[in-house]
Formats: sequence, C-alpha cells, structure tokens
Amino acid sequence: EAGVVQSPRYKIIEKKQPVAFWCNPISGHNTLYWYRQNLGQGPELLIRYENEEAVDDSQLPKDRFSAERLKGVDSTLKIQPAELGDSAVYLCASMGFSTDTQYFGPGTRLTVL
Amino acid sequence: GESVGLHLPTLSVQEGDNSIINCAYSNSASDYFIWYKQESGKGPQFIIDIRSNMDKRQGQRVTVLLNKTVKHLSLQIAATQPGDSAVYFCAEMGGSGTYKYIFGTGTRLKVLA
Repeated sequence: EAGVVQSPRYKIIEKKQPVAFWCNPISGHNTLYWYRQNLGQGPELLIRYENEEAVDDSQLPKDRFSAERLKGVDSTLKIQPAELGDSAVYLCASMGFSTDTQYFGPGTRLTVL
Repeated sequence: GESVGLHLPTLSVQEGDNSIINCAYSNSASDYFIWYKQESGKGPQFIIDIRSNMDKRQGQRVTVLLNKTVKHLSLQIAATQPGDSAVYFCAEMGGSGTYKYIFGTGTRLKVLA
C-alpha cells in the first residue's frame, strides 16, 4: 500500500514569491492534516480536513496561507507571498475513519531566500 | 519558534544497550498517545501507540509506558541498533474526538558503535 505522497520534496524560492505544496493521502483516509515543522521542533498543525471540509484551521495564517481539498482526496497548501520565516518542512498526514493513528508523508522542505 | 527548540535533548547509547526516552505530556484529558521516529530528511514514522486505559504496551523491541498520575510517557528500545539513531517525538491526542495531536519537543537518540 502506498503511503502519503507529497511533492515537491524541496523548494527554494525568493521572498514575496508564491509557492504550493501537494499531498495525496493514503487511499481511503478521510482525514488529512497539514503541519509545519521548524528545525529541531515537533510538527505544528496548520489545518485539518474531514473529507473536503476544513474542520480546524485556527492555526493557519490566513493572510498568506490557503489550502484546499476540493474532492476530499488530494490537497494543496499555498503560501502567497512567502516570507523568510516560512522556511520550514511542510508535512502532510492522513488518518483513516476508524483509527486515531496519523501517517505522515516525507514532507516538503521550503527555503525562502 | 522558541530558541530552546534548536537544542534538542540528546541521548547517547552504546549499541546493544537499552534506551529509554521520556516525554511529559500536557493534557490530563488526552486519551491516546503515539511515539514517532523521524530520521533526517524524512517524515515522522509511527512506532507504537497506547491508549489511556493501558499503562504498558509492547511491540517488537519497543515498549511504551504511560503514567497518567504524573502525565509521563516513556519509550524503551531494547538492544539499540545504529538504525535506531533518529529524533523521537511523543504526541498526545487531547480528549476523545478531537483528532488533534500535540507533539513534544523531541529527543535525539545517538547510537554509539
């Protein structure tokens, strides 16, 4: 069974540029999470989806970050415009309906210059 | 993030010895706990989980202990191997139905040959 897929794996952009990350969860997993992980720290939740509905986006900086999961499967996280402080690893995780266990993708390492 | 996060606690263990990694969790209402292993450049990988109605759970070479009285979680790795070198995070899920993980700071495990 394929795990959580993320792309790109690495992205380097200049500040004020837009950037987008893509995630395809494990097949059949209805819950999808986006996290940000700064160096040496644990992941911090940005947004959680139940199917296509964003049920917790309280920690998403909505002035520059947006996310969508239009068909309740894959998801895109966007930053526009990016700032230097956005440099981090962006992780996607998914969870099945009858379990509490989240499975993570490999992450996208973003560097903003 | 806080500067303290840049200096992960580090545990150095001789190959073949047992390792014990500790974690203090924050929410007395949390009812589900997970240990993740994160290798450099990879996403967190599930190791073992435990529910609040248990105080011990064993897997292959790993054991998780839960002490709800002092809100403490530990991960024991038997016969530590070089491949166990990684950062280990504990995560708590706060209360039934929240599906929101809170991650600890992480501990770096170094296995010495």
